[in-house]
Amino acid sequence: KQEVTQIPAALSVPEGENLVLNCSFTDSAIYNLQWFRQDPGKGLTSLLLIQSSQREQTSGRLNASLDKSSGRSTLYIAASQPGDSATYLCAAHNAGNMLTFGGGTRLMVKP
Amino acid sequence: GAVVSQHPSWVICKSGTSVKIECRSLDFQATTMFWYRQFPKQSLMLMATSNEGSKATYEQGVEKDKFLINHASLTLSTLTVTSAHPEDSSFYICSAQRGGPLNTEAFFGQGTRLTVV
Repeated sequence: KQEVTQIPAALSVPEGENLVLNCSFTDSAIYNLQWFRQDPGKGLTSLLLIQSSQREQTSGRLNASLDKSSGRSTLYIAASQPGDSATYLCAAHNAGNMLTFGGGTRLMVKP
Repeated sequence: GAVVSQHPSWVICKSGTSVKIECRSLDFQATTMFWYRQFPKQSLMLMATSNEGSKATYEQGVEKDKFLINHASLTLSTLTVTSAHPEDSSFYICSAQRGGPLNTEAFFGQGTRLTVV
């Protein structure tokens, strides 16, 4: 059974800092790995999808990497802004299009 | 990205009544939709997988008679919470994915906050 862990559970940084969110998964036989953002009381917004054959994906200030062999993915946020404050979730895509979510990292970027 | 619309965004109902939540894929056809439940400050828990034209597949511990799922078309899945009780109060979120092995990016609805009083 796939298990996904995110570290740290919470993070508070000053504006402008570069930061890394970590995601690890136990079963390396994943199809894709997807990063999401969730604002309080809202649904999930897809940030980046990394296919199993890819090593990384970039979108603006966000860069996500994937290392299947070690069961790890990282989300790098450059030049963080207060508007980046949210919960970030990673999810592993397994057979049957099923997602297994990590517990999330609650990010607070202070002005 | 694709758009998934969930309605209503919040609902308050009395104990014993039923509530229906709709999940629509607005600009693509979704052969598979998923229903999740999320408790405060916790991650998403998969409740069931909804396949168009067939019965839903429920996760262990989820009562299929209480959480009725219907996926009658490629753009609409509904979750009905029957005989709701206060412990059913939660945040329910649906997701939709295009069919095929390469189109597995998941798109989520806005969520529905259910409060049972």
